Amino acid sequence: GAVVSQHPSRVICKSGTSVKIECRSLDFQATTMFWYRQFPKKSLMLMATSNEGSKATYEQGVEKDKFLINHASLTLSTLTVTSAHPEDSSFYICSAIHRDSYEQYFGPGTRLTVT
Amino acid sequence: LAKTTQPISMDSYEGQEVNITCSHNNIATNDYITWYQQFPSQGPRFIIQGYKTKVTNEVASLFIPADRKSSTLSLPRVSLSDTAVYYCLVGVQSNTGFQKLVFGTGTRLLVSP
Repeated sequence: GAVVSQHPSRVICKSGTSVKIECRSLDFQATTMFWYRQFPKKSLMLMATSNEGSKATYEQGVEKDKFLINHASLTLSTLTVTSAHPEDSSFYICSAIHRDSYEQYFGPGTRLTVT
Repeated sequence: LAKTTQPISMDSYEGQEVNITCSHNNIATNDYITWYQQFPSQGPRFIIQGYKTKVTNEVASLFIPADRKSSTLSLPRVSLSDTAVYYCLVGVQSNTGFQKLVFGTGTRLLVSP
């Protein structure tokens, strides 16, 4: 089956630093990837839609300058949390749309802790 | 995007059948209904998808009435490992790509021995 990976699986960083999270579709090409954020015991909240070769589309209330998204290829999208603060600590999940089947596959998530 | 409403939580025992109902009164003609399962600190996992009537796979069944304003996920003979959060979503599948999914609150299922 289609597999989506995320790297790293968990990361701890200091306040003020930037962190990059990678989302890869391992065995399929994805023209569209989504980034979600999930706080403890809460539902997933869509942050942005990432399209290969174009600028990401951000949901209302999500700062595009703080959460930089790059979708450089059909198998890789990156989310960079810039100048991270403790309130950015969360579980970040990506998903990828299979270019041929249009099915959506989720990654395992990345646990970010900002100290 | 159609909004979905599910019970916040449900309790069951091992071996029982669990039915989780989701309301989506504003579902559009092109919307599919999809259910995902999520364990703590993991990404959601696809369970089943349907458009109308009944769909069955190796893990669950999905019942959709004719008006499509609700759907019921049926898990036969649950086990402890089925304890998870279950999300019902509606979204459009088109030739330009899958519409973005908006997750609702989900249903937290607790299976006890």
